[in-house]
Amino acid sequence: EPEVTQTPSHQVTQMGQEVILRCVPISNHLYFYWYRQILGQKVEFLVSFYNNEISEKSEIFDDQFSVERPDGSNFTLKIRSTKLEDSAMYFCASMEGNIQYFGAGTRLSVL
Amino acid sequence: QKEVEQDPGPLSVPEGAIVSLNCTYSNSAFQYFMWYRQYSRKGPELLMYTYSSGNKEDGRFTAQVDKSSKYISLFIRDSQPSDSATYLCAMSRGAAGNKLTFGGGTRVLVKP
Repeated sequence: EPEVTQTPSHQVTQMGQEVILRCVPISNHLYFYWYRQILGQKVEFLVSFYNNEISEKSEIFDDQFSVERPDGSNFTLKIRSTKLEDSAMYFCASMEGNIQYFGAGTRLSVL
Repeated sequence: QKEVEQDPGPLSVPEGAIVSLNCTYSNSAFQYFMWYRQYSRKGPELLMYTYSSGNKEDGRFTAQVDKSSKYISLFIRDSQPSDSATYLCAMSRGAAGNKLTFGGGTRVLVKP
C-alpha cells in the first residue's frame, strides 16, 4: 500500500542551525502539506503546496520556514534558524480526493 | 471558542465495550469530517471519512455527523486492547487542497 515517507525519524540540532526535513509523498498525489505537533498539543497546520507553489500557510509559517519540491518525488521543509520552540513532531501529508494521508513524522529536537 | 473541541480523556473501557468519542466545532463551513488514530509518537492514521451530515459504517467503526448541531461522533464496537490510542477528529472546508483543523485528541485505553 502506498505511503508517505519521512526522513529522518529523529533530528537533533543546536539552536540557530538550519534543518531540512524530507518527505516523499504518495505518487500521483498533487497536494502536499506540513503539520506540526508540539508534545501534548494538537496537530497544527503549517503550509499547503500545490502546483509548485504555496497555496496556504498559517501564522506559524514565518520567514524562517520554507518549502520546496526539488524534484518529482521529494517535498522538503526547511527551518533556517531553529529556535527551542521549534521542537515538535513534524508531519508531512499528501492528499487525494479530499483525504490526507500522513507520514510517520520527524521528531525535531532543538537544544 | 476553539474551532474544534474534543475531550482529552483518558477514556478507559473494558475489552469488548463500545467506545464513544465526539467532537464539537464552531465553523459551519466545515464539510469534510475525519477521524484519525494516532499511536504514541507516530503519524495520524485515517480511520473514517465522512462528507456532510449522516452516518458511515466500516467494520467495527461508525462515524456520525450532525451539521445542525456541529457535532461529530465515532463509535468503536467490540473494542480491543489494540484500539488503545489517541483518536483525533479533523475537518476541512472541502475546497480543493484545504487544510485540516484538528481537535486535541481523546486518549483511549481498552483494558483486557
